[in-house]
Amino acid sequence: NAGVTQTPKFQVLKTGQSMTLQCAQDMNHEYMSWYRQDPGMGLRLIHYSVGAGITDQGEVPNGYNVSRSTTEDFPLRLLSAAPSQTSVYFCASSQTRDSISNQPQHFGDGTRLSIL
Amino acid sequence: AQSVTQLDSQVPVFEEAPVELRCNYSSSVSVYLFWYVQYPNQGLQLLLKYLSGSTLVKGINGFEAEFNKSQTSFHLRKPSVHISDTAEYFCAVSVVAAGNKLTFGGGTRVLVKP
Repeated sequence: NAGVTQTPKFQVLKTGQSMTLQCAQDMNHEYMSWYRQDPGMGLRLIHYSVGAGITDQGEVPNGYNVSRSTTEDFPLRLLSAAPSQTSVYFCASSQTRDSISNQPQHFGDGTRLSIL
Repeated sequence: AQSVTQLDSQVPVFEEAPVELRCNYSSSVSVYLFWYVQYPNQGLQLLLKYLSGSTLVKGINGFEAEFNKSQTSFHLRKPSVHISDTAEYFCAVSVVAAGNKLTFGGGTRVLVKP
C-alpha cells in the first residue's frame, strides 16, 4: 500500500517558470490538502479539497492553483514561480468528509522546491 | 482564527532522559489537538490526538500528552528517549466540525545525544 505519493522529490526552477507538483493517494480518501513547510513556521495550508470537483483556499493560496478531477489525484500548480515559493511542499489525505475534523492526516514525503 | 505556539524551537536531551515539549494554543471555539512527528527527509506521522474524554492521551512510541483546558496547553512527554526519537515534533489543532484543516505550531527539534 503506497499511501500518499508525491513527485518529484526535488526540483529547481527559475523565476517565472511554471510547474505542477503531483500528489496521488490510494486509500480512497475524500479529503486532500497541500501544505508548505518553512523553517520556524511549521506547516501552512495552501489549498484543500473535500472531494472530487471541490477545492477551496487555505491560509496561503496566492500563487498556487489546484484542481481535483479524481478522488486519487490532487496536483498543485505554480503558474509563475517566485523565490518566495522556495519551500518544502507536503500533500496530505484523510478519511473525512465535510465538517468532520478529527481524522488523522496521512502525509507524503514532500517535494523540495528551490526557485532561483 | 486559531494559533499554536511551541515554546521551544530546539530541545537537546540525553538518551534515556525524559523530555517534555510544550505546546499552547489559542482559539475562541472548540478544537481537536494533535501531535505529529517528522523524521529527517520524511513526511509527518501522527503521534497522538485529543478529541474528548480523558485529558491524558497515550500515543505511539511511548509518547503521551496532557490536555489542559484552563491553560490551553497540550504538552508532549516521554519518560525515556532513544536515539531514534531524534526528529521534529509539531503540535496542531483543527476546529471542531469545521473541516479537517490543521493549524500547526512552528515545530520543536529534538536532538537525542548518546
